[in-house]
Amino acid sequence: GAVVSQHPSWVICKSGTSVKIECRSLDFQATTMFWYRQFPKQSLMLMATSNEGSKATYEQGVEKDKFLINHASLTLSTLTVTSAHPEDSSFYICSKTDSQRADTQYFGPGTRLTVL
Amino acid sequence: ELKVEQNPLFLSMQEGKNYTIYCNYSTTSDRLYWYRQDPGKSLESLFVLLSNGAVKQEGRLMASLDTKARLSTLHITAAVHDLSATYFCAVVNSGNTPLVFGKGTRLSVIA
Repeated sequence: GAVVSQHPSWVICKSGTSVKIECRSLDFQATTMFWYRQFPKQSLMLMATSNEGSKATYEQGVEKDKFLINHASLTLSTLTVTSAHPEDSSFYICSKTDSQRADTQYFGPGTRLTVL
Repeated sequence: ELKVEQNPLFLSMQEGKNYTIYCNYSTTSDRLYWYRQDPGKSLESLFVLLSNGAVKQEGRLMASLDTKARLSTLHITAAVHDLSATYFCAVVNSGNTPLVFGKGTRLSVIA
């Protein structure tokens, strides 16, 4: 069964609004989770590493004030896209690592964001 | 900087045929992953390869790892339409760190 859930699975919003995406670890506590973004027909690009109880680590080129990450509990990380614009339209996927299974990363089902 | 290259990026093959997808990576790593992605869906874990010479098989797919050559292969045997998807290889530097993905191989199996 799924070990990572995301909500919502898809969202359409107007330009300038903010959107929050939730990522939940369903089977065990995850002190670290990862957020990726995937544009159509492209590979996954890491946006940031979400750390429980501390600040997220952002990849170069990712605006931390635009993509707010909060990892307030051991099972929940949230990504808020602030003042979204059409170029932010993408597939956002979170993941976590299972250290009991050779650090295999398990991915959430993804959230498709469309900004009009 | 860890880089991962896959080839081919696009692959159209007939049912029943065999083919191999290649994954090269740039720096030392003893942990390589293969994932499958169907259109509009997230990633499904296929294989985790942990050591030099590791070989794993699941159905018509077989993955291998050569850490000395920094090369992994995903071999498809007697392809069927259900295998049509995009396949990604990914590598980590160590432990609980994010994956670095190849660009993916879009496989289309045709009758």
